Amino acid sequence: EVQLVESGGGLIQPGGSLRLSCAASGFIVSSSYMTWVRQAPGKGLEWVSVIYSGGYTFYADSVKGRFTISRDNSKNTVFLQMNSLRADDSAVYYCARVGGTSLAFDYWGLGTLVTVSS
Amino acid sequence: EIVLTQSPGTLSLSPGERATLSCRASQSVSSSYLAWYQHKPGQAPRLLIYGASSRATGIPDRFSGSGSGTEFTLTISRLEPEDFAVYYCQLYGSSLFTFGPGTKVDIK
Repeated sequence: EVQLVESGGGLIQPGGSLRLSCAASGFIVSSSYMTWVRQAPGKGLEWVSVIYSGGYTFYADSVKGRFTISRDNSKNTVFLQMNSLRADDSAVYYCARVGGTSLAFDYWGLGTLVTVSS
Repeated sequence: EIVLTQSPGTLSLSPGERATLSCRASQSVSSSYLAWYQHKPGQAPRLLIYGASSRATGIPDRFSGSGSGTEFTLTISRLEPEDFAVYYCQLYGSSLFTFGPGTKVDIK
């Protein structure tokens, strides 16, 4: 059974850093495309970042230069390193698997809440 | 950059009614990479439709997707109580992904 479990969220001051983790089971992260999506309070879903099986990474303009996606194949886990955090980064962050040739997000975690506030 | 718009913003319907949700792209896109998701508060989003018209595993056949080019539609043939939620279209293109702003389907 495929499962994704996010962790690492919390309250952080503006300008601070946080690392989110997404532990996967039921499939191999290194053979898949993995992505992060966020939802700010009262807002819609916003795509954040993707890491392809070959290791290439891409980011939304809103986080480029501040966020870094990576993975640890030995732990079957994907990470999102978030630096220079701002109030508008406050959101629930979801990890998802990008499925096959459709490139749709077929499995999602329940999310982890990040609050950026002084 | 391709922008997705969804209409209406909110759709107020009764159980048993038909829901028709629209997703429009700012330029012609490949229908192979157009997906629809359902999202309820406190839950993970759920993939409903991929490739514009293929239902994901376990999705009831009252959900259907159609469209091509710049115009795509999600149809729920007869609304069940559990279908009241927010629905998003999403697109892949040029190594990036984008979501539409969503349509909320609420109970009339």
